[in-house]
Amino acid sequence: DTGVSQDPRHKITKRGQNVTFRCDPISEHNRLYWYRQTLGQGPEFLTYFQNEAQLEKSRLLSDRFSAERPKGSFSTLEIQRTEQGDSAMYLCASRLARGETQYFGPGTRLLVL
Amino acid sequence: DQQVKQNSPSLSVQEGRISILNCDYTNSMFDYFLWYKKYPAEGPTFLISISSIKDKNEDGRFTVFLNKSAKHLSLHIVPSQPGDSAVYFCAASETQGGSEKLVFGKGTKLTVNP
Repeated sequence: DTGVSQDPRHKITKRGQNVTFRCDPISEHNRLYWYRQTLGQGPEFLTYFQNEAQLEKSRLLSDRFSAERPKGSFSTLEIQRTEQGDSAMYLCASRLARGETQYFGPGTRLLVL
Repeated sequence: DQQVKQNSPSLSVQEGRISILNCDYTNSMFDYFLWYKKYPAEGPTFLISISSIKDKNEDGRFTVFLNKSAKHLSLHIVPSQPGDSAVYFCAASETQGGSEKLVFGKGTKLTVNP
């Protein structure tokens, strides 16, 4: 039984660079979420996919952020022109159906220098 | 405005005793509540959940209580074990329509002393 996987686990980048993270949800989970967690805070919702359709985006998701789920399986989250304030843990979660529990991946820790 | 609040940043208990973690919410549309456990540098791990149609749900050493009129829930761990030491997050969602995104509290760091 494979859970949600995320790649890379850690990323260090310089301010202004672009970064891309990948999330592979649990097989057959058609609902996928991205969250961001900063120090001392709980995870905060960024965006939601049902299959390949991006159905909801948070105000936290500025124009520099874009997420895709092209075939309804894995998803990518890209941050363009990174800023130091983007430093955080980026978490992906998936679930099977309405009302079911969301299961989280291990996260990608981003540090922008 | 914080819709889910965990007012105790930390809690310390002795091994074998009860741990009680509290959570308050303000959004009356929330109808599904969850507790997650998180170790440093890892993603949250699901512990237990409760629907708003219930007031109690039990799973082994973990019990969640929901008081809808007070908009309050609590997680009881009995007996507490050193391996329970982690940060515990309370989360809530609206299951009727929409994304069912989770809204999290800031977490409570539980330390269980041997």
